[in-house]
Amino acid sequence: EAAVTQSPRNKVAVTGGKVTLSCNQTNNHNNMYWYRQDTGHGLRLIHYSYGAGSTEKGDIPDGYKASRPSQENFSLILELATPSQTSVYFCASGDAGGGQDTQYFGPGTRLLVL
Amino acid sequence: QQKVQQSPESLSVPEGGMASLNCTSSDRNFQYFWWYRQHSGEGPKALMSIFSDGDKKEGRFTAHLNKASLHVSLHIRDSQPSDSALYFCAARDYAQGLTFGLGTRVSVFP
Repeated sequence: EAAVTQSPRNKVAVTGGKVTLSCNQTNNHNNMYWYRQDTGHGLRLIHYSYGAGSTEKGDIPDGYKASRPSQENFSLILELATPSQTSVYFCASGDAGGGQDTQYFGPGTRLLVL
Repeated sequence: QQKVQQSPESLSVPEGGMASLNCTSSDRNFQYFWWYRQHSGEGPKALMSIFSDGDKKEGRFTAHLNKASLHVSLHIRDSQPSDSALYFCAARDYAQGLTFGLGTRVSVFP
């Protein structure tokens, strides 16, 4: 089973502060993804990456940046956190496969922006 | 508008019974479909994928895909208390990440 870990698991931030969410995968997967989960919206794609050094915008990238410094690590950065970014954030990894790769999710980070 | 729509929103099933979940997509670019399951406090976990028309069976789970109508279903036979969870249908085209439905909450009662 693929192993994806996230840190921190819980975070309280202040409006206007900077928040960095980290994700690590030990499966040597090329692709990594960041989603947020909100009631009434399901899971929505924020950013994704095809490999070290690459980041791409997903469906809801506004207010977020991403960084992929290595194959194993993928970070999500909120430069100026807002209360609307209160959510549960999930990182996932998957191997390149022409769209057929199964994505493996981490346990999530619960973020509260006050 | 949700590109992936699921029904019902919630479902109660007796232990040992059959649960049937439905999913319809409005985007014909979607080629590949998954069912994910999420227990409370955890991340989603892939149950099964289905890419071709017809049925796919894995243990107690059977998925069915009809690409012409963009309809996917999941049937869980002999439901167990551990099957109580939030079930997501997810779809994908050749690139980017997954597009998820809003989920169906399944409760298995004794």
